Amino acid sequence: KQEVTQIPAALSVPEGENLVLNCSFTDSAIYNLQWFRQDPGKGLTSLLLIQSSQREQTSGRLNASLDKSSGRSTLYIAASQPGDSATYLCAAGSSNTGKLIFGQGTTLQVKP
Amino acid sequence: NAGVTQTPKFQVLKTGQSMTLQCAQDMNHEYMSWYRQDPGMGLRLIHYSVGAGITDQGEVPNGYNVSRSTTEDFPLRLLSAAPSQTSVYFCASSYGGKGNEQFFGPGTRLTVL
Repeated sequence: KQEVTQIPAALSVPEGENLVLNCSFTDSAIYNLQWFRQDPGKGLTSLLLIQSSQREQTSGRLNASLDKSSGRSTLYIAASQPGDSATYLCAAGSSNTGKLIFGQGTTLQVKP
Repeated sequence: NAGVTQTPKFQVLKTGQSMTLQCAQDMNHEYMSWYRQDPGMGLRLIHYSVGAGITDQGEVPNGYNVSRSTTEDFPLRLLSAAPSQTSVYFCASSYGGKGNEQFFGPGTRLTVL
């Protein structure tokens, strides 16, 4: 059974720092790996999707990597800003049917 | 495009009442799914559908029914609400084969007394 873990559960950094959020999964036979952002009381916003054949994806200040052999993905945020404060969730897709297994999330606070 | 829409935004039910959470998408997505989000448990899949007329169970299907009569709509029915169903419910959709990026609705916050 696929299990997804995110460490740390919470992170507080000063503005301008580069930071890495970690996501690990137990079953390497994933279809894709998706990173989401969730603001308090809101829905999930898709940030990056990495397909199983890819190693990384980039969007602006965000870069996500995928290493299936080690069961790990990282989300790198460059030059963090207070507006980046949110909960970041990773989710592993086990097939192309839309089924996702989520981690518990990392709550990020970027202090001005 | 409105994307994925959900109604209502908030709902309070008494134990034993029934209700339907609505979900619609205007992106012609084949795949739709329902998740619930609970503190300490993360998001868990309730039911999903790979196309009109086809549904299947996820991790936590008990107490919920779904049907998919059109591509656009995927309602979630609570037949007899229980306090354990107090949660935030999210609907999601995707193209499926095209990389399968999931798009989520804004959620319905349900309280069962």
